[in-house]
Amino acid sequence: DQQVKQNSPSLSVQEGRISILNCDYTNSMFDYFLWYKKYPAEGPTFLISISSIKDKNEDGRFTVFLNKSAKHLSLHIVPSQPGDSAVYFCAASGDFGNEKLTFGTGTRLTIIP
Amino acid sequence: GAGVSQSPSNKVTEKGKDVELRCDPISGHTALYWYRQRLGQGLEFLIYFQGNSAPDKSGLPSDRFSAERTGESVSTLTIQRTQQEDSAVYLCASSPGRGHEQFFGPGTRLTVL
Repeated sequence: DQQVKQNSPSLSVQEGRISILNCDYTNSMFDYFLWYKKYPAEGPTFLISISSIKDKNEDGRFTVFLNKSAKHLSLHIVPSQPGDSAVYFCAASGDFGNEKLTFGTGTRLTIIP
Repeated sequence: GAGVSQSPSNKVTEKGKDVELRCDPISGHTALYWYRQRLGQGLEFLIYFQGNSAPDKSGLPSDRFSAERTGESVSTLTIQRTQQEDSAVYLCASSPGRGHEQFFGPGTRLTVL
């Protein structure tokens, strides 16, 4: 039962263009969503998050959009840079007080110079 | 400051042996999580410690898995009678307590032959 889904295992984007990574979830109890970035042989690194009371959160080149009615969120990276090449995981949590995360399977983003 | 550290970084063991994995969280972080990532999959929640509360063990896959935490410091994850399907990267994360951002260690890659 995959509650958080990232249906694109990989994505290639030209440097300078916009990268859009998508994530869908099924559990309506989730109220907080996060994106993590992972390089090989390293642990995931927190990137950006959004609470269910918002529909957009922006931090520099990174913007996360949340569509609660569609149970869908997306991460936009613009402009994309070679250092953005990594695996991106979408994660969700709910039940405030026990913030265990439910992760998607990840999308490998490759930025083409 | 120091991040989350895990040891060993790699562990190769024979089927049926017991293994112990260690996590040192960020100092002052009251919450500690264990996840695992099997090849080609997302991170899977295992267990969560928060202060002196009873741990949330809902993600442990079998009674061969157990974990302990000493106060608000080091944690050990023990896998008894290892099986080949236990092969994965085991990741530890800590957080300040309330709130959702978790800081991950580099993981321990466990290979069961």
